[in-house]
Amino acid sequence: GPKVLQIPSHQIIDMGQMVTLNCDPVSNHLYFYWYKQILGQQMEFLVNFYNGKVMEKSKLFKDQFSVERPDGSYFTLKIQPTALEDSAVYFCASSSGLGGRYAEQFFGPGTRLTVL
Amino acid sequence: GDSVIQMQGQVTLSENDFLFINCTYSTTGYPTLFWYVQYSGEGPQLLLQVTTANNKGSSRGFEATYDKGTTSFHLQKTSVQEIDSAVYYCAMRDFTGNYKYVFGAGTRLKVIA
Repeated sequence: GPKVLQIPSHQIIDMGQMVTLNCDPVSNHLYFYWYKQILGQQMEFLVNFYNGKVMEKSKLFKDQFSVERPDGSYFTLKIQPTALEDSAVYFCASSSGLGGRYAEQFFGPGTRLTVL
Repeated sequence: GDSVIQMQGQVTLSENDFLFINCTYSTTGYPTLFWYVQYSGEGPQLLLQVTTANNKGSSRGFEATYDKGTTSFHLQKTSVQEIDSAVYYCAMRDFTGNYKYVFGAGTRLKVIA
């Protein structure tokens, strides 16, 4: 079936540095999402992106976070600067629409971010 | 606000046992309900979804009924197998202008051969 890819699978950085997480969504999908999952906890919505704009974001989507998808390439999540509490697995997802059968989200395998 | 509650953090069963995972939701809108399954080392993948109240969704022997009266969407399977071991997430997407999904805490199912 359709695949979402995430690069890298694991990233280790020092607190205060910038990090960019990359997502290659399903090719004809229009809606893109990021989720955060701290070890042992539930997956939580961060942001939804469509047509070059953030549609909705949660309170977890701090000012240090930004998303973009320049020219249809990777959908990225940038954190600048990083903090210790940003350590988590970040899942990217995409969907072709919002309603009915188009609402199914396809998830990537996640990027494990470790902030030291 | 919107919420999805899964009370069971972990369930351990033997092969061929009956599975029941509890899920209740809270919203003021008209949600579509989902069950996603996450195998070890992978991202979640859709197991089943139901858009209309009182309908049932089924896939791979799993089924769940959208019960608007009790605001529940429990997941069941008659006879689990070891390959069903995974984390199961109940999720909701509301259609009142809210674009985000709400996921439950997840239930880790371990099936012993």
